[in-house]
Amino acid sequence: DAGVIQSPRHEVTEMGQEVTLRCKPISGHNSLFWYRQTMMRGLELLIYFNNNVPIDDSGMPEDRFSAKMPNASFSTLKIQPSEPRDSAVYFCASTTDWNTEAFFGQGTRLTVV
Amino acid sequence: AQTVTQSQPEMSVQEAETVTLSCTYDTSESDYYLFWYKQPPSRQMILVIRQEAYKQQNATENRFSVNFQKAAKSFSLKISDSQLGDAAMYFCAYRSAEVSGNTPLVFGKGTRLSVIA
Repeated sequence: DAGVIQSPRHEVTEMGQEVTLRCKPISGHNSLFWYRQTMMRGLELLIYFNNNVPIDDSGMPEDRFSAKMPNASFSTLKIQPSEPRDSAVYFCASTTDWNTEAFFGQGTRLTVV
Repeated sequence: AQTVTQSQPEMSVQEAETVTLSCTYDTSESDYYLFWYKQPPSRQMILVIRQEAYKQQNATENRFSVNFQKAAKSFSLKISDSQLGDAAMYFCAYRSAEVSGNTPLVFGKGTRLSVIA
C-alpha cells in the first residue's frame, strides 16, 4: 500500500493567495483527519471526516480555512486568503474501523511570505 | 475534552543507555487508547507503540516499552539501548474508544530526544 499521500510536499506562496492542500487516504480507510503542526502549538486537529462527512471542524481557525472530502479517496484543505501566520506543516491522516492508530502522510510544509 | 501533557520539551541520552519520556493525560473516560509516535527530521509520523486502556499489561515493542498507570493517568515511554536513530521528536497521543465512529488523536506538545554518541 502506498500509504497516505499528500501534495504538494512544500508550498511557498504570497500573502493573500489561495492555497490548496491535497490528501489521498489509504484505500479502504473511512476516516480522515487534517492536523496543523507549529512549534508553538504542536499538533492541532483542524477537522475530521467519517465516511466523507465532516464530523468536527471546531479546530478550523477561521473562515479562511475550508475542507472538503468529495469522495473516499480524496480530500482538500483550502486557505483563502493565506496569511503569514498560516505557515506550518499540515498533516493528513487516515484510519479505519479496525485500526486503533492513525496513519499519517508526509505532510505539506506551507510558507506564506 | 481530553488533554495530553508532555512536561519534558527536551531530553538527551547517551548511546546504549536507557531513557524515559513522560506523559500524563486528563480524561473522564475509561475506555481509550494511548500511543507514542516518533517524528524524525524527515517529518514522517511513525507509530512506536500503542496501549489499550483495558489491558493492564504494559505494551512492549523490542527496545520500546511503556509504563501505563491508569489511576495516575500516566503513560511513560522507556527506550532501552538507545541508538543514534532514536533521535527524534516523540509525541504522546490519546484516542477515545467510547465514542461511536472513529475519533481523532489528541497529541501532547512533544519531547525532542537527542542521542549522544
